[in-house]
Amino acid sequence: EADIYQTPRYLVIGTGKKITLECSQTMGHDKMYWYQQDPGMELHLIHYSYGVNSTEKGDLSSESTVSRIRTEHFPLTLESARPSHTSQYLCASSQGLTTLNEKLFFGSGTQLSVL
Amino acid sequence: DQQVKQNSPSLSVQEGRISILNCDYTNSMFDYFLWYKKYPAEGPTFLISISSIKDKNEDGRFTVFLNKSAKHLSLHIVPSQPGDSAVYFCAAGGSQGNLIFGKGTKLSVKP
Repeated sequence: EADIYQTPRYLVIGTGKKITLECSQTMGHDKMYWYQQDPGMELHLIHYSYGVNSTEKGDLSSESTVSRIRTEHFPLTLESARPSHTSQYLCASSQGLTTLNEKLFFGSGTQLSVL
Repeated sequence: DQQVKQNSPSLSVQEGRISILNCDYTNSMFDYFLWYKKYPAEGPTFLISISSIKDKNEDGRFTVFLNKSAKHLSLHIVPSQPGDSAVYFCAAGGSQGNLIFGKGTKLSVKP
């Protein structure tokens, strides 16, 4: 069964704060992703990684940054949060290095509210 | 320009009846499709997938149908149960890139 964890589940912070959203997986998956999703909208890919020391920007431009120093860990950082960053952030991982028949396992998400 | 479209934002069905969720796509290069189910404040969970070389895949109460000529797929849930109430996302993928998701359809199954 999928074991991918995100913390915190909910975060309310003030404008200008630096935040890091944590994501860890215990499945040994090489590929990891960050999606952003608002109610009634599609999941937008903002970052992904093929493995350690690999980070790529997704389809949706984002002011956040990511790092992949260890296979199991893929944190997302916002240097200065703004109200427009309010959204649900979903971390995912997959086993395959190619997209063919790729099945994503998602964490429970972090609901971020920036006041 | 949306490559994966779920044109019905919501669907309401009576318990025990069939739920049919629809999805259209524009990119003929997609070669596999997936359905995910999402509860509020949780991450999506994988439900069922289908390869473009097939036209049907079944798993228990869930069946996905693919019509390549129409670039259309549908998810059938029968019989529908109140616990099926969730948002269902259609996603498409191919060798050219990452998964593309639709906007989702909120299914409500009424007892």
